[in-house]
Amino acid sequence: DSGVTQTPKHLITATGQRVTLRCSPRSGDLSVYWYQQSLDQGLQFLIHYYNGEERAKGNILERFSAQQFPDLHSELNLSSLELGDSALYFCASSVSSGRRNEQFFGPGTRLTVL
Amino acid sequence: AQSVTQLGSHVSVSEGALVLLRCNYSSSVPPYLFWYVQYPNQGLQLLLKYTSAATLVKGINGFEAEFKKSETSFHLTKPSAHMSDAAEYFCAVTAGGSQGNLIFGKGTKLSVKP
Repeated sequence: DSGVTQTPKHLITATGQRVTLRCSPRSGDLSVYWYQQSLDQGLQFLIHYYNGEERAKGNILERFSAQQFPDLHSELNLSSLELGDSALYFCASSVSSGRRNEQFFGPGTRLTVL
Repeated sequence: AQSVTQLGSHVSVSEGALVLLRCNYSSSVPPYLFWYVQYPNQGLQLLLKYTSAATLVKGINGFEAEFKKSETSFHLTKPSAHMSDAAEYFCAVTAGGSQGNLIFGKGTKLSVKP
């Protein structure tokens, strides 16, 4: 158990819908990273928040957004869903925002768009 | 730009045999490198990390990796494979600049035959 929690574990929805994925970092960690894992693209970085502020963006679509709240939990919002958004979404937390800090991954949310 | 190449999408070994999973990196700055393992339907678990200290890094479950700057490699090894080592293994490098997000290789699926 990494100490990072993600809800829900599974999510099945239809095209055009909007969903929210939730992540609670390990106690004491200030950074939250979101990654998408799909068969064709592999593991890709989406976005990074540190202590409530956006720090970096990766291959995140404009239909996707995220935020980190004062209690440090984070939410990833996916809207106007398409079939291609079906994937495993991971969040990871780290004690700070530096390059040498290891990241601890949650169990993921499997999103299926029908 | 930073990148990681994992040679061999699938490696099969016999129980008790040497495990060697290959990872080559490209980095414009001194790299920080990580190996993660993913068991079916689970999140990623950190095996070991290289953060510019000792070039031979020991991790969990008997795995180790050697950082070779001249070869831009960070191969993962284990002297004797166990059935429980069957999983997918990902090599990752942190992004450049001050960014801490990870750039992953495409992964190597390890099968262990009895």
